[in-house]
Amino acid sequence: DAMVIQNPRYQVTQFGKPVTLSCSQTLNHNVMYWYQQKSSQAPKLLFHYYDKDFNNEADTPDNFQSRRPNTSFCFLDIRSPGLGDAAMYLCATSWDRGYEQYFGPGTRLTVT
Amino acid sequence: GESVGLHLPTLSVQEGDNSIINCAYSNSASDYFIWYKQESGKGPQFIIDIRSNMDKRQGQRVTVLLNKTVKHLSLQIAATQPGDSAVYFCAETPNQAGTALIFGKGTTLSVSS
Repeated sequence: DAMVIQNPRYQVTQFGKPVTLSCSQTLNHNVMYWYQQKSSQAPKLLFHYYDKDFNNEADTPDNFQSRRPNTSFCFLDIRSPGLGDAAMYLCATSWDRGYEQYFGPGTRLTVT
Repeated sequence: GESVGLHLPTLSVQEGDNSIINCAYSNSASDYFIWYKQESGKGPQFIIDIRSNMDKRQGQRVTVLLNKTVKHLSLQIAATQPGDSAVYFCAETPNQAGTALIFGKGTTLSVSS
């Protein structure tokens, strides 16, 4: 089945130690998104790629970066994780920006 | 800023009842709306969507109603089941180039047997 896959499902990192989260899709969608979701809150969009065009949200900290080497893969890099970055990170894809988004299962990040 | 919000943070119903989850949006230019269901520890799952040229759309056991006059969106779940227990988010796409979904705050639906 076509889907959005996130690895790992659970990630533990140390304060200040760089970490990379991975997302892949078999839907061949043009747009890939990264969201941060903290407990009992709505997903918060960090940035998205429309094909190779990177679109950063105005309030996304510089500590968060992203790479999309090809259509199928997108990475979230957190350069120096702080305790406040502990959250669920969700990847989503859509055919275009005005269309339904398909979400992956998420990666739960713990910062120690 | 403009945002999508929900009227109630929690809703408790009995199994078999009909549930109605409400959402108010403030951006009159929004033209696409989605309801997502999120179970604990999982990613949001698409339930149903509606475009601004429609007032109502039905799926399996779910109906979405859009009232553009008062900028109100609702999700109706018929014969609610324990498996429907989750957090429900409404989301909108403002009709602006390059803008992605904006999520509301979520309503937690609890279904008791």
